Amino acid sequence: DAMVIQNPRYQVTQFGKPVTLSCSQTLNHNVMYWYQQKSSQAPKLLFHYYDKDFNNEADTPDNFQSRRPNTSFCFLDIRSPGLGDAAMYLCATSSRLGRLNNSPLHFGNGTRLTVT
Amino acid sequence: ELKVEQNPLFLSMQEGKNYTIYCNYSTTSDRLYWYRQDPGKSLESLFVLLSNGAVKQEGRLMASLDTKARLSTLHITAAVHDLSATYFCAVVPGGSQGNLIFGKGTKLSVKP
Repeated sequence: DAMVIQNPRYQVTQFGKPVTLSCSQTLNHNVMYWYQQKSSQAPKLLFHYYDKDFNNEADTPDNFQSRRPNTSFCFLDIRSPGLGDAAMYLCATSSRLGRLNNSPLHFGNGTRLTVT
Repeated sequence: ELKVEQNPLFLSMQEGKNYTIYCNYSTTSDRLYWYRQDPGKSLESLFVLLSNGAVKQEGRLMASLDTKARLSTLHITAAVHDLSATYFCAVVPGGSQGNLIFGKGTKLSVKP
């Protein structure tokens, strides 16, 4: 089945220690998104890629970076995790952008990040 | 800036009862999504509403969209325990690149 796969499901890192979360997709979608969802809150968009074109949300901290080496993979790098970065990180894909997109985003199962 | 407001944020229902969740948004949009999230899990797409007056139904859930009122509703008919979850509405702002802006979610608990 075509899907969005996130690894690992659970990640524990130490305060200030860089961590990378990964996302892969077999849907061949052009657009990949990273959302942060803190406990009992709505998902919040961090950034997205349209093909190789990177789009950062204005309020995404510099501590968060992303890489998309090819269509299938996208990575979220947190350079110096703080306690406040503990959250579920959701990767999502869609086939097209904006007004051309009639489909919902397809979400992966998420990576739950704990910072100790 | 687009704001998406859901109410209620918490809803405790008895099985067999009906209820409606409301989603208001503040600026122009012509597409609205409803998602379900179980505890510790990812988001599952329920409905995509693409035009004014759109109505979609799946099982005990029915969603509608009024773009003039900037309002969507998710109606639950004869609730069952399996519907217990958090329900999010999400809106794509007009002219955006398709980024979803989510409401805060409605945590639904259906009790026997």
